[in-house]
Amino acid sequence: DQQVKQNSPSLSVQEGRISILNCDYTNSMFDYFLWYKKYPAEGPTFLISISSIKDKNEDGRFTVFLNKSAKHLSLHIVPSQPGDSAVYFCAASVQRSWGKLQFGAGTQVVVTP
Amino acid sequence: DTAVSQTPKYLVTQMGNDKSIKCEQNLGHDTMYWYKQDSKKFLKIMFSYNNKELIINETVPNRFSPKSPDKAHLNLHINSLELGDSAVYFCASSQGGTIINEQFFGPGTRLTVL
Repeated sequence: DQQVKQNSPSLSVQEGRISILNCDYTNSMFDYFLWYKKYPAEGPTFLISISSIKDKNEDGRFTVFLNKSAKHLSLHIVPSQPGDSAVYFCAASVQRSWGKLQFGAGTQVVVTP
Repeated sequence: DTAVSQTPKYLVTQMGNDKSIKCEQNLGHDTMYWYKQDSKKFLKIMFSYNNKELIINETVPNRFSPKSPDKAHLNLHINSLELGDSAVYFCASSQGGTIINEQFFGPGTRLTVL
């Protein structure tokens, strides 16, 4: 039973433009959300997170938006750079659950010159 | 410099064999995890240890046995390997126990069972 869904397996975007990655979840108990980035043959690396008490969190070029009523979050990357080409995973959890993260299937982002 | 390391990076073995994957973190974290990434690319948590104690044990076959000799190490032993065990296994660590914090992942071990 997949509780975190990333329905777009891939996204192609031009360098300098905005990348928008989407993630939906079904478990209303989730109250903490994270985005990870993964290059081939490497482990995922943490990008940005958001608690359910917020609806937006920014860190440099990365912004995560959370819409709790729609059980939806998105990651915006502005401007997109060639080094952003990677697989992006959305993850969700319940605080105080000993780090039990539920991951989506990932979205492959390709940034073209 | 490596924060979370795993050995080996690649493991090719025959069905029925027993194998181990080792994980070490030098971040001083108190919690370590094993994840499995299957052919559909989903990352699924298998186990979590906090201060050498088993905290999370998902519905994983008994053939999988994690062992944490100390806070910095979490090894995964797999008995009687099956074809379906072929996957990439990631080790991760974090600090904070019950509180969700950023998890740092190792580079993964690609296991192929023939």
